Amino acid sequence: QQPVQSPQAVILREGEDAVINCSSSKALYSVHWYRQKHGEAPVFLMILLKGGEQKGHEKISASFNEKKQQSSLYLTASQLSYSGTYFCGTERAAGNKLTFGGGTRVLVKP
Amino acid sequence: DAGVIQSPRHEVTEMGQEVTLRCKPISGHNSLFWYRQTMMRGLELLIYFNNNVPIDDSGMPEDRFSAKMPNASFSTLKIQPSEPRDSAVYFCASSSHTGELFFGEGSRLTVL
Repeated sequence: QQPVQSPQAVILREGEDAVINCSSSKALYSVHWYRQKHGEAPVFLMILLKGGEQKGHEKISASFNEKKQQSSLYLTASQLSYSGTYFCGTERAAGNKLTFGGGTRVLVKP
Repeated sequence: DAGVIQSPRHEVTEMGQEVTLRCKPISGHNSLFWYRQTMMRGLELLIYFNNNVPIDDSGMPEDRFSAKMPNASFSTLKIQPSEPRDSAVYFCASSSHTGELFFGEGSRLTVL
């Protein structure tokens, strides 16, 4: 079952912050985050395993609340290079298939 | 490392023709995934393999689609016969035990 992402789109000024949410109706083993720029392939950002851990990549970090089956991606002090579509992918068990959400389009303006 | 290699990058074909998409995963990766991306349906998992064995093909749309992985370094996705609604970008991705997916650049298919 596909996870649900929100918002569907967000426009930011350079330096502003944003949060992207990903939720599932099923128990999760892990949540992945990927970013895809126009005309390119998705690129891995981070994996969060159940246990409520938080990870970071540049000024992009994420959290995973396994009890609520939710993950959030935090874009802090956004840069122009952060523009793209962000996808969360969820895994219900180790080695299981990765199902992607519908994506959140992020546009960072100067 | 060369990354995941897909071919062709672009294919334009007529309805009814057979289409074969090819993928070479990263050496040493034991899992391979075929995804389809469209504006309407997003990124859909079609099938994935572990150690060359198909594990889950529940995302394959219908019998017109088939996928094989004859060895650890090669996989194909075949559509026969193709239809206009199959037009999409098809991505192949591979992963190791870490779980991180590495995507190829995709094959953009247009069926007229």
